[in-house]
Amino acid sequence: DVKVTQSSRYLVKRTGEKVFLECVQDMDHENMFWYRQDPGLGLRLIYFSYDVKMKEKGDIPEGYSVSREKKERFSLILESASTNQTSMYLCASSIRTAPDTQYFGPGTRLTVL
Amino acid sequence: AQTVTQSQPEMSVQEAETVTLSCTYDTSENNYYLFWYKQPPSRQMILVIRQEAYKQQNATENRFSVNFQKAAKSFSLKISDSQLGDTAMYFCAFESGTSYGKLTFGQGTILTVHP
Repeated sequence: DVKVTQSSRYLVKRTGEKVFLECVQDMDHENMFWYRQDPGLGLRLIYFSYDVKMKEKGDIPEGYSVSREKKERFSLILESASTNQTSMYLCASSIRTAPDTQYFGPGTRLTVL
Repeated sequence: AQTVTQSQPEMSVQEAETVTLSCTYDTSENNYYLFWYKQPPSRQMILVIRQEAYKQQNATENRFSVNFQKAAKSFSLKISDSQLGDTAMYFCAFESGTSYGKLTFGQGTILTVHP
């Protein structure tokens, strides 16, 4: 079974803090994605990566950055957390060839106070 | 840019009955893929079913089937013989044929199956 894990299920941070969310997949997938999930808005793509050290902006990249130094690991960074970044963050991975199933992690519920 | 719209924020159904969740999308592309994902309460999102736009036949996976109307840009999900375990948030999603697997999701529909 494909496994996608995220470093924390729940996280509470203060405004202005630098926040790291980590995601690891064990299926040698090329593609990795970061989404945020908000009620009434569904999932919105923040960043994605189709190879090591490659990254592409999604629909809402402002206030976020990412890092992919190894194929299995994709990190989302909030440089200076703000209250409007309080949300559920979901990581996913897939092979490169479309159409392929995206495999999701359990999510991190981030609260910024 | 593509958009995906799910107009039913919440739905409910009795166990063993049939329910249909609606999804419409907007695109100018001819080559694309459509998906339904399920997110059970406090559990990970999983794929339910997918449809390739070039296929005229509607996809089916056990109790789950789709009604794909390409001209109308409509992609509904039918769940037959609903079970309590079908209670979840359901998301419709669109993937362009040239997008490296990038998905555009709808707003989601919360489905509750009552005993």
